[in-house]
Amino acid sequence: NAGVTQTPKFQVLKTGQSMTLQCAQDMNHEYMSWYRQDPGMGLRLIHYSVGAGITDQGEVPNGYNVSRSTTEDFPLRLLSAAPSQTSVYFCASRQQGIYGYTFGSGTRLTVV
Amino acid sequence: KNEVEQSPQNLTAQEGEFITINCSYSVGISALHWLQQHPGGGIVSLFMLSSGKKKHGRLIATINIQEKHSSLHITASHPRDSAVYICAVSTGNQFYFGTGTSLTVIP
Repeated sequence: NAGVTQTPKFQVLKTGQSMTLQCAQDMNHEYMSWYRQDPGMGLRLIHYSVGAGITDQGEVPNGYNVSRSTTEDFPLRLLSAAPSQTSVYFCASRQQGIYGYTFGSGTRLTVV
Repeated sequence: KNEVEQSPQNLTAQEGEFITINCSYSVGISALHWLQQHPGGGIVSLFMLSSGKKKHGRLIATINIQEKHSSLHITASHPRDSAVYICAVSTGNQFYFGTGTSLTVIP
């Protein structure tokens, strides 16, 4: 099925551990982005990419790294997890222009 | 400061009622988006608009660029419409979200 695939769906990390949240899309979308969703704060943009090899920061980039080596994949890396990074993470993609976004199903991350 | 404000935060309606959710924003935008987040957490893009009005089934979205305001209307509401509705604006490649309106439609 075409869409945005996020893995894993759930993850528990210890403070200081590293991990990568995976995001892949098979719609040849140019734009991909990562968001975190926290209670009472809504979604916030972490990083985005407008194409392979091009990434930029969003509203809350600290503590996260991204890369875009292919059009399909846009992984989000936590180098040293902190409890403040406990959140639900969503990846989304769209074609540049007038089309809406396609969201992944989310990753619920808990850092203890 | 919030670039996007939604009202109301919570809304309970009887099945069949006409529902309006409002969104105001404070930045220049390239587009405004309405999203629906289901109780299970999945997010679906409902509308992306930069002017005028769009309609899809029982859902209608309008935007007034001069007043920096948008509304999402649901006609003949149904319990399956129960979800969180999120307004978001894009400014170039940046994306700002409202905190959402939680809608419950009672049979």
